[in-house]
Amino acid sequence: KNEVEQSPQNLTAQEGEFITINCSYSVGISALHWLQQHPGGGIVSLFMLSSGKKKHGRLIATINIQEKHSSLHITASHPRDSAVYICAVTFSWGKLQFGAGTQVVVTP
Amino acid sequence: DAGVTQSPTHLIKTRGQQVTLRCSPKSGHDTVSWYQQALGQGPQFIFQYYEEEERQRGNFPDRFSGHQFPNYSSELNVNALLLGDSALYLCASSLLGAGGNTEAFFGQGTRLTVV
Repeated sequence: KNEVEQSPQNLTAQEGEFITINCSYSVGISALHWLQQHPGGGIVSLFMLSSGKKKHGRLIATINIQEKHSSLHITASHPRDSAVYICAVTFSWGKLQFGAGTQVVVTP
Repeated sequence: DAGVTQSPTHLIKTRGQQVTLRCSPKSGHDTVSWYQQALGQGPQFIFQYYEEEERQRGNFPDRFSGHQFPNYSSELNVNALLLGDSALYLCASSLLGAGGNTEAFFGQGTRLTVV
C-alpha cells in the first residue's frame, strides 16, 4: 500500500476552470512537495510545504498537518497547465516518497 | 546555473547487459537521490548518496549500485539488465540541511529501454 495517496487519478477541465488535486499521507512527515511532470519526463518542483499555504501565480498549495492532507489548486486553468501533478513527502534525510500522480488535461 | 543534468537522455540496452547513468547535481547541492519511474507510475526511491556514501536504500536488488564522487556527481549502475528495468531514471539533488528538509531539484531523466 502506498503511503501517499492522490486523487483524482485523471482530471479533464475546460480552460478557465478551477482545479483541485488532493493528497493524503499516512504517517508523520517533515515536508510535502508538489511536483509537475510534462511529457518527456522532466520534473519541476512547484512547492515545498511543511505548514499552512503557499501561492505562486495561479497555483495555490495548502497543507493540514493534523489531518495529513494537502491540496493543490490551479485557478483560471489554461491548456499549458496540462501535465502530471505529483505529490511527494519527505520522511527523513530528504528521501521522497511519491504518489502515483494526477494526469490533468485542460481543453481550450 | 545548469541545474541538475543527467546523461544520457535515452539509452537502449539488451537483456543481460550493464548500464551506467550519470547525474550532476545543482551547484551547491551535496546529496543525490535516484528514482525509477515505470510508465504510468510515480517514481520509486532507489538510493541516496551523501558524502560519497549510500545513506538510504529503497527496495531494489543488489544489481542496482551507485557511486558519488568528491564533486558530488553520481552514477547509477545496473547489472544484468532485465526487461522490467525499462523505465525513466530520475536524479534529484538537494542540500542536506538541518533536519534533512530541503527542496529537491530534478534532472530531465534518462529513458532506459531494455530489449
